[in-house]
Amino acid sequence: DTAVSQTPKYLVTQMGNDKSIKCEQNLGHDTMYWYKQDSKKFLKIMFSYNNKELIINETVPNRFSPKSPDKAHLNLHINSLELGDSAVYFCASSQDLAGGTSQFFGPGTRLTVL
Amino acid sequence: LAKTTQPISMDSYEGQEVNITCSHNNIATNDYITWYQQFPSQGPRFIIQGYKTKVTNEVASLFIPADRKSSTLSLPRVSLSDTAVYYCLVGDSGMIYNQGGKLIFGQGTELSVKP
Repeated sequence: DTAVSQTPKYLVTQMGNDKSIKCEQNLGHDTMYWYKQDSKKFLKIMFSYNNKELIINETVPNRFSPKSPDKAHLNLHINSLELGDSAVYFCASSQDLAGGTSQFFGPGTRLTVL
Repeated sequence: LAKTTQPISMDSYEGQEVNITCSHNNIATNDYITWYQQFPSQGPRFIIQGYKTKVTNEVASLFIPADRKSSTLSLPRVSLSDTAVYYCLVGDSGMIYNQGGKLIFGQGTELSVKP
């Protein structure tokens, strides 16, 4: 029973297309995140939602739009995909925003933009 | 903003103890130190977390000196399955809501365990 799941696992698309990645957590957590991991393995936070409210919005192009229909879901929609968007995107969740809370990560979605 | 620095890679042999050090000179008072492990094609997995002194669990130990400007993850008697990338994370997610704090992952240390 997967705690944090993402779909799809692989996504190959052409430049200029619009795509979405879905994330669901069944841990009952209040907080969810999106991270981008580039080819150099750096993990960079993109967004964080707490109780469906946007908390963190890092310096991410506005082509990226997160949507949280409920506490268990945080989807990522990307418009007008560019080559530089190719990366692995990880969804994560944590109990809440309290200090010291650990995060649970999904398996990742490998996005390849051609 | 507490930036972290770790060695890019380390090699070890089965059965040895491995110590990976992370530097975080600008750590804030409310920041916790957390270590994650990541295998290829998987998401990071929580290993251990601490605030000060020493923390030990069934997987690892975490040593944090009094000034908290660095921390050392200690893996006792590593096996081949411990080959992975280890990330040091410093931050206080509780501060994010109020002051725009950030969660910063280090570059990661690629640990290779050989037979």
